[in-house]
Amino acid sequence: SAVISQKPSRDICQRGTSLTIQCQVDSQVTMMFWYRQQPGQSLTLIATANQGSEATYESGFVIDKFPISRPNLTFSTLTVSNMSPEDSSIYLCSVLPAAHTEAFFGQGTRLTVV
Amino acid sequence: TQLLEQSPQFLSIQEGENLTVYCNSSSVFSSLQWYRQEPGEGPVLLVTVVTGGEVKKLKRLTFQFGDARKDSSLHITAAQPGDTGLYLCAGEVTTDSWGKFQFGAGTQVVVTP
Repeated sequence: SAVISQKPSRDICQRGTSLTIQCQVDSQVTMMFWYRQQPGQSLTLIATANQGSEATYESGFVIDKFPISRPNLTFSTLTVSNMSPEDSSIYLCSVLPAAHTEAFFGQGTRLTVV
Repeated sequence: TQLLEQSPQFLSIQEGENLTVYCNSSSVFSSLQWYRQEPGEGPVLLVTVVTGGEVKKLKRLTFQFGDARKDSSLHITAAQPGDTGLYLCAGEVTTDSWGKFQFGAGTQVVVTP
């Protein structure tokens, strides 16, 4: 199993500012992902965080808006840049310890942009 | 594009009743997972099904993967208030994109005493 710590758990931010969310895993994992869960909706994959290289973004998400870092096999950050109220959502970090194994999720970061 | 369609969207039942949640798609999945999510928490994995026609049981929960690996169902027998939560199905599209899941919209289940 993998224990994931996501910080912050929640935040209220002013529009136009940026917030960086951290995801720390207690063991080395092969894959790390970032998802968004808008109010009352399901999870949408933002990007795959690649260790040592640029993240791979899904359609509709771009690096300028959601820069991602993954300096090692246990840590990643997601930044939500130049925020607007439409960015209010829960952001979730997910890890896959090895190929075709169970995926684990952090508890999420509830972001409100005012 | 929502590849996975879950139904119903909302289900409210009394304790002791049975319920079934469906997850359907026109796409074939290499694997499919069911999660339960409670408010303020991330999704927690319940089961992974991989083989077409597979049936897995987890206490009062029974999971089935369709023969064509395009659909799945979750059946709860004698539901309890602790079963309340958002149930999500997630399909792993291809083996080349392992770990990348397409999630259904979710089914909110409420079990009242």
